[in-house]
Amino acid sequence: KAGVTQTPRYLIKTRGQQVTLSCSPISGHRSVSWYQQTPGQGLQFLFEYFSETQRNKGNFPGRFSGRQFSNSRSEMNVSTLELGDSALYLCASGKGKQETQYFGPGTRLLVL
Amino acid sequence: SQQGEEDPQALSIQEGENATMNCSYKTSINNLQWYRQNSGRGLVHLILIRSNEREKHSGRLRVTLDTSKKSSSLLITASRAADTASYFCATDESSDYKLSFGAGTTVTVRA
Repeated sequence: KAGVTQTPRYLIKTRGQQVTLSCSPISGHRSVSWYQQTPGQGLQFLFEYFSETQRNKGNFPGRFSGRQFSNSRSEMNVSTLELGDSALYLCASGKGKQETQYFGPGTRLLVL
Repeated sequence: SQQGEEDPQALSIQEGENATMNCSYKTSINNLQWYRQNSGRGLVHLILIRSNEREKHSGRLRVTLDTSKKSSSLLITASRAADTASYFCATDESSDYKLSFGAGTTVTVRA
């Protein structure tokens, strides 16, 4: 079974631009979560989607948004990029709450 | 905010030795998961232990969970150079749809 895939793997943007990251979950998984990892803040939860509905959102500004499609693929968007948005963005999929979450390889975003 | 706290922050051991790291958390949980991360790559799932379980094994890994103390431990036996990585505990809280991660323990296995 294919694992969680994320595209692109690496991205360089400049301040003020916007970016869209994509995540394809493991087949059959309906829950997709996004996390931001930085050296200073560690792993922080962004949001979680299940069957196209956002069930939970972390403490991030409104510039961070996401969505999930009917095939469970998910995208997250960051608008008006800031230097502090440079991070590894990780996507995880699972069958649902209380089940194992499987992570993708991440997208490393660098904002210049 | 982070739910879990790993201890120690860093650990350096000789190949063949055992490595033990601990995780403490604050609120009631459904389960606790341990992950490994190599050099800033994706997280690899190691083991999930549910709140009604006390101990679980997977290969060279042994995880314990003490819900009364809100703590868990991960033991890696007979460590290998390939075990060099950061290890994170993540809790699935009872009332939320997210994992809360600790800051991680960086393990270095010396040949």
